[in-house]
Amino acid sequence: AQTVTQSQPEMSVQEAETVTLSCTYDTSESDYYLFWYKQPPSRQMILVIRQEAYKQQNATENRFSVNFQKAAKSFSLKISDSQLGDAAMYFCAYRSDFGNEKLTFGTGTRLTIIP
Amino acid sequence: GAGVSQSPRYKVAKRGQDVALRCDPISGHVSLFWYQQALGQGPEFLTYFQNEAQLDKSGLPSDRFFAERPEGSVSTLKIQRTQQEDSAVYLCASSLADRDIGRLIFGPGTRLTVT
Repeated sequence: AQTVTQSQPEMSVQEAETVTLSCTYDTSESDYYLFWYKQPPSRQMILVIRQEAYKQQNATENRFSVNFQKAAKSFSLKISDSQLGDAAMYFCAYRSDFGNEKLTFGTGTRLTIIP
Repeated sequence: GAGVSQSPRYKVAKRGQDVALRCDPISGHVSLFWYQQALGQGPEFLTYFQNEAQLDKSGLPSDRFFAERPEGSVSTLKIQRTQQEDSAVYLCASSLADRDIGRLIFGPGTRLTVT
């Protein structure tokens, strides 16, 4: 079974600065997908960014980018120019490329933005 | 509808009562998921439907938990003889399956408190 580990329960960053959230995972599969989801306080969880394991190029979405290290099974999220609206719980998630669409989530990192 | 809706938003049940939680996915979304999120934790997978077929129920914690999606749209998660450890937020999510891999649209959740 796959596992996803987020070792930083809480992080904080000054507004406009850059922060990196860590995630490691364990799998015996070679083809899979990784995701970062954001859960703002009292609001629905939304997808931030997606990475296909077969792609060497790191995914980027505006101020959000990832550092995907397949051999190390590491998948970190970098948020540049942090904004107050970035404050949320961030969850790393794994999905197998075979059959079942379910996502396996980590325990989350609470990100606080300091004005 | 525009998003995934869940009802009720809050439910208080006495230990031993049965509860039913409803999920209305986005129209046309083939896949539907139920997750359980304990306070301060990441979502834990419960079960997954593709249309009306329940393809994976490996995450249901006991035989007191039952889910259905009889017509391939609305889904109900039923918990019989509720226990205190069932207290959590129950999240429903739907997706377009492989047309947008891993993009789950989450509902607001139902917060269940068992007293």
